[in-house]
Amino acid sequence: AQRVTQPEKLLSVFKGAPVELKCNYSYSGSPELFWYVQYSRQRLQLLLRHISRESIKGFTADLNKGETSFHLKKPFAQEEDSAMYYCALSGRGGSEKLVFGKGTKLTVNP
Amino acid sequence: GAGVSQSPRYKVAKRGQDVALRCDPISGHVSLFWYQQALGQGPEFLTYFQNEAQLDKSGLPSDRFFAERPEGSVSTLKIQRTQQEDSAVYLCASSLSREGTGTDTQYFGPGTRLTVL
Repeated sequence: AQRVTQPEKLLSVFKGAPVELKCNYSYSGSPELFWYVQYSRQRLQLLLRHISRESIKGFTADLNKGETSFHLKKPFAQEEDSAMYYCALSGRGGSEKLVFGKGTKLTVNP
Repeated sequence: GAGVSQSPRYKVAKRGQDVALRCDPISGHVSLFWYQQALGQGPEFLTYFQNEAQLDKSGLPSDRFFAERPEGSVSTLKIQRTQQEDSAVYLCASSLSREGTGTDTQYFGPGTRLTVL
């Protein structure tokens, strides 16, 4: 079964503190993993994908196949990082449906 | 350029009414997806088109839900005899669909918020 679990519904940190949003997945095979973000009053947009191995807005995520995790990390959170974050997976193909977690609402306090 | 657009942005329907939700994908995008997002949940897949062909409709919750993309561009999601449990945000996404390069980035529209009274 394909499943994405984000154990934290809400996460609150202070500006400048490190932040980690947890994501665990279940998939038979080798999925692609993504983090999508939705800022207030904006549409859902891709933040990063594991296959790119890049850092976006200071965020990184490492795929750990042994622990089936894809946690999102940032060493120093900023107020503008406050948003809803969704972890998602798909099969490896040209066009594959996304399976989303329930999301984590991150609040970065001043 | 223009992103994915959806209309209407908000729809209120009485239980039992039929509704039609429209999605205009990014020009040239071959693939189009519909997702349903209930309150407090992540988006859930409904159906997928490649050009005009509906290749996967496994996520449609009942036969009251019907989607089409007759000319391979604009898509319509129709819900017949709406029920209260159909209340949700309906998201449309499109992607280029380039084979062999990994899963393409899906670009999402703003969504249509459907409220069934």
